[in-house]
Formats: sequence, structure tokens, C-alpha cells
Amino acid sequence: SQKIEQNSEALNIQEGKTATLTCNYTNYSPAYLQWYRQDPGRGPVFLLLIRENEKEKRKERLKVTFDTTLKQSLFHITASQPADSATYLCALGRATGGGADGLTFGKGTHLIIQP
Amino acid sequence: NAGVTQTPKFRVLKTGQSMTLLCAQDMNHEYMYWYRQDPGMGLRLIHYSVGEGTTAKGEVPDGYNVSRLKKQNFLLGLESAAPSQTSVYFCASSQIQYYRHGGYTFGSGTRLTVV
Repeated sequence: SQKIEQNSEALNIQEGKTATLTCNYTNYSPAYLQWYRQDPGRGPVFLLLIRENEKEKRKERLKVTFDTTLKQSLFHITASQPADSATYLCALGRATGGGADGLTFGKGTHLIIQP
Repeated sequence: NAGVTQTPKFRVLKTGQSMTLLCAQDMNHEYMYWYRQDPGMGLRLIHYSVGEGTTAKGEVPDGYNVSRLKKQNFLLGLESAAPSQTSVYFCASSQIQYYRHGGYTFGSGTRLTVV
């Protein structure tokens, strides 16, 4: 069965440094990969999308890479701030049927940015 | 623009009771989804809908039923609640081929406890 793995332990990063989160997957051939942010007691919020034919995407301080050979995505937050502290979810999807059959989510990585 | 609204936000049920969770979106999205989120399990897809009058099973559909009588509403029903259904339930919506532009829009969740 398909499996998505994210760092299960919390990631502690000092403010100002770059935080790097990892998403690995097996038994899956995604057409695209997404990253979401989730704060306690809230629903996930979409951050970035990268397609299988793209190597890298950027949005402000965020950068995502996608390596379909390694079956891995890296999510970077540069110049990290305490406000970036949250749980970050990786999600994979197929383009079949216009993407109708739902995203498959990883369990998330809890990121803590320490002042 | 409210986005995705879930009601209720909290509910406690006794084993065997029934209830309906309501999800409403005002973005004219075609696709709607119900996920449950449990500690250590991540988000798991219960049911989804690709349009008014259509529904389909996701990864964990047992014990739940859904209906989409109107495009903007997606209802999740529990006919006979069990303690194993204690969870946080999230509704989400998206455009057709959302992966060309972005991701899901999630509601703020319903925290359900079955005792």
C-alpha cells in the first residue's frame, strides 16, 4: 500500500536559520505534491504545489523540491521566524479524473522555531 | 467570503447515537471531501464528492454516510456512533483540476467525542 513518511519527531530550529522538512513516499506515482501548514485547533492551509515534471518551486521564504527518482520532497523555510512554528503536512495526488479522488496526506512534522 | 464552514465545532455523543456534520462552502467548488484526523494517523479520507448528487468512498468509509444534495453543502452522517469514531473531522473543497493552481480549502474542523 502507498505510504508517506514525514519526520515524526519535532524539529527545533533557531530563529533566522533555514528549516528543512522531508517527505518520502513509497508505492505511489504522484502527479503532484503539496505542502500544507496546520496550526493547533485549525484546519490545514495550502502553501505550495509542485508537479512531477518540476524540480523546484519558490514562494517568498518557502522553497519546495521534488525528486521523483528518490521519491522525496524537501520543504525549506529560509530566515525562519517563531511565527513559522506549526505542523507541516505533505500531500500527494494524482491527476486522474481531474484530481477528484482525494489527496493522501502524511502525518506531518511539528516545527518549532526558537527565538 | 467565509470559505468552508463546518458545524458544529464540538460535539459529545453517546455510543449508538446518530448525528450529522454539516459542511458548507461559498466558493462554487465542484469537489468536496471529508477527512478524519487522529493522533499519529494523519488525515484520512472518509468520503468525497465530485459534484452535486454524487458521492464516493475514500480510505475509511465504514460507519459513515454522506450526501450532497446541493453543490455548496456536503453532509457527513454517523448512524450509530462508536468510540472508534472519536476524532477531529475536517471538510475540504477544491476546484476541478485544482492541482493546476493550488490546493484544498479546509474548514476549521469538528471535534467529536463518542463516550
